[in-house]
Amino acid sequence: QVQLQESGPGLVKPSQTLSLTCTVSGGSIRSHSYYWSWIRQHPGKGLEWIGYVYHSGSTYYNPSLKSRVDILVDTSKNQFSLKLNSVTAADTAVYYCARFWVGITGTKTYFYGMDVWGQGTTVTVSS
Amino acid sequence: QSALTQPASVSGSPGQSITISCTGTSSDVGGYNYVSWYQQHPGKAPKLMIYEVSNRPSGVSTRFSGSKSGNTASLTISGLQAEDEADYYCSSYTYGSVLFGGGTKVTVL
Repeated sequence: QVQLQESGPGLVKPSQTLSLTCTVSGGSIRSHSYYWSWIRQHPGKGLEWIGYVYHSGSTYYNPSLKSRVDILVDTSKNQFSLKLNSVTAADTAVYYCARFWVGITGTKTYFYGMDVWGQGTTVTVSS
Repeated sequence: QSALTQPASVSGSPGQSITISCTGTSSDVGGYNYVSWYQQHPGKAPKLMIYEVSNRPSGVSTRFSGSKSGNTASLTISGLQAEDEADYYCSSYTYGSVLFGGGTKVTVL
């Protein structure tokens, strides 16, 4: 079955760029049925959606993070990535990648939910 | 965009039924049938339990059910079991974005 695995530095200095990669195995990132998402969870807090990317490269971002976020897809490697610029301690969190299951018929898209998740990776922002 | 509103905690005894509410607005919960629910055990990734308000993914127990009325969605757990003790998050699509609720801790007494 499809598995997702996050990778990247666990420690990032303030003002630098947080970079994470999610590797998709057991399935193709080119599937028309999925968007590919990043979600984070601050320590002891709830989930926060960061954004998602389609295999075409189309992206949608959380408005509160949009000015600092880039999500890219690399179909040749079956990976997608997150870049978060100008990080502060407030960006310390567990970062998850997830597969966002959608249905597309004609011009309509149905947004079902995030049905496969990575195990999560802890990123600490500290000097 | 504001997070969806959930109660911080809900508890019940084994075998009982509990319901978790998720309140949004006409722009999210009330405007789309794209409400989903996630279960998260400590230290684990979330798991999709309900999608499109009331549909269960394959493998999810029938004890979990979802519904919606106006701007409020609900998750009901019937026949509460010890393994249901976890955090539960609702989520709603709202044009181009995804919102999560603040989470509800379910305690099995």
